[in-house]
Amino acid sequence: EPEVTQTPSHQVTQMGQEVILRCVPISNHLYFYWYRQILGQKVEFLVSFYNNEISEKSEIFDDQFSVERPDGSNFTLKIRSTKLEDSAMYFCASVLVARNEKLFFGSGTQLSVL
Amino acid sequence: GQQVMQIPQYQHVQEGEDFTTYCNSSTTLSNIQWYKQRPGGHPVFLIQLVKSGEVKKQKRLTFQFGEAKKNSSLHITATQTTDVGTYFCAGPDNYGQNFVFGPGTRLSVLP
Repeated sequence: EPEVTQTPSHQVTQMGQEVILRCVPISNHLYFYWYRQILGQKVEFLVSFYNNEISEKSEIFDDQFSVERPDGSNFTLKIRSTKLEDSAMYFCASVLVARNEKLFFGSGTQLSVL
Repeated sequence: GQQVMQIPQYQHVQEGEDFTTYCNSSTTLSNIQWYKQRPGGHPVFLIQLVKSGEVKKQKRLTFQFGEAKKNSSLHITATQTTDVGTYFCAGPDNYGQNFVFGPGTRLSVLP
């Protein structure tokens, strides 16, 4: 089965530093998402992306966050100035055609902000 | 805003016992999805329910969508150690565009 690929699997950074989390969605999928999961808690929606623009974002996705699809295959999440509370597992997901289809999740990037 | 709730938060069962997790939404849902996340893993899609009162089965797993389309359940018959993980339900948000996940039920199966 095709997979969503995420790199790196782990990222450790100092508070205030910028991080970029990378994702390669499944090639023919059209909708892309970032979710995060603080340890032991629920999966929280951050942002959805379609047709090269953000289609929806949550309250968590403030001005410190941005997403980009720079080259037609990669889908990145940038956190400009990380805070301790940004420590979480970040999952990228993609959907084939319609928003109400099943989500294919990547394996995640564990971000630790020190 | 829309809320999706699940109970119980944790469930410990002996291998061979049955398990049920319940999902409730504050709003009527057009559909509901269930995902399983193994420890240290990522959520993996299990099933989607669309019709009122729908029941679907996958081997030992039975999924049900309530008549009012505001609640759902997942029942596992005769649990096995491979069933260990967290089970999440997810429903479309108020705009119908993205999925809101419930807090999950973490299942432990004792051999």
